[in-house]
Amino acid sequence: GAGVSQSPRYKVAKRGQDVALRCDPISGHVSLFWYQQALGQGPEFLTYFQNEAQLDKSGLPSDRFFAERPEGSVSTLKIQRTQQEDSAVYLCASSLREGDYEQYFGPGTRLTVT
Amino acid sequence: GDSVTQMEGPVTLSEEAFLTINCTYTATGYPSLFWYVQYPGEGLQLLLKATKADDKGSNKGFEATYRKETTSFHLEKGSVQVSDSAVYFCALSDHGNQGGKLIFGQGTELSVKP
Repeated sequence: GAGVSQSPRYKVAKRGQDVALRCDPISGHVSLFWYQQALGQGPEFLTYFQNEAQLDKSGLPSDRFFAERPEGSVSTLKIQRTQQEDSAVYLCASSLREGDYEQYFGPGTRLTVT
Repeated sequence: GDSVTQMEGPVTLSEEAFLTINCTYTATGYPSLFWYVQYPGEGLQLLLKATKADDKGSNKGFEATYRKETTSFHLEKGSVQVSDSAVYFCALSDHGNQGGKLIFGQGTELSVKP
């Protein structure tokens, strides 16, 4: 079956541009997570959805970061006025239900801000 | 807050050597513990997990035992292969965390030479 997919796989943005990163979770998965992975580091939690509800956004680094999942499936992470420090790989993961600790990760979107 | 610390890499081994990658954690509750693996050019994959103290997770010849007394979850394999070359991440999910978000260590790169 299809896994978690993300698009685009690579994105180059000029500083100050807005970007939108898309995540298609595994069909039927209730929980969806976004993580940010800087070069040479482990992923860091950004935000969590249960269906369409954003239940935890404590990891979003600034108010330039915004995530949504309006119909409880596809999610979009938007970064406004990108800065060089936003350069990272953005990972999306989904799990079947809340508290199900097996998360399935997408391939990530590598964002480079120039 | 909760955290995970892993031994720094890179780790370079010859084929058939014994592997240990150390991982220790700090958590306020009773976390589940995980090892994820990231092969070159691929997304994060769950390698093994343990959900309570003294549990042993195992997969593909890798093992790790949840040691509450030493707050550790060291990854071991008796005989590594070239195909095991990858980056390994230790992670925890605290049962008190909403939704089961993962907290990762910084990753340990393993290179296995023929």
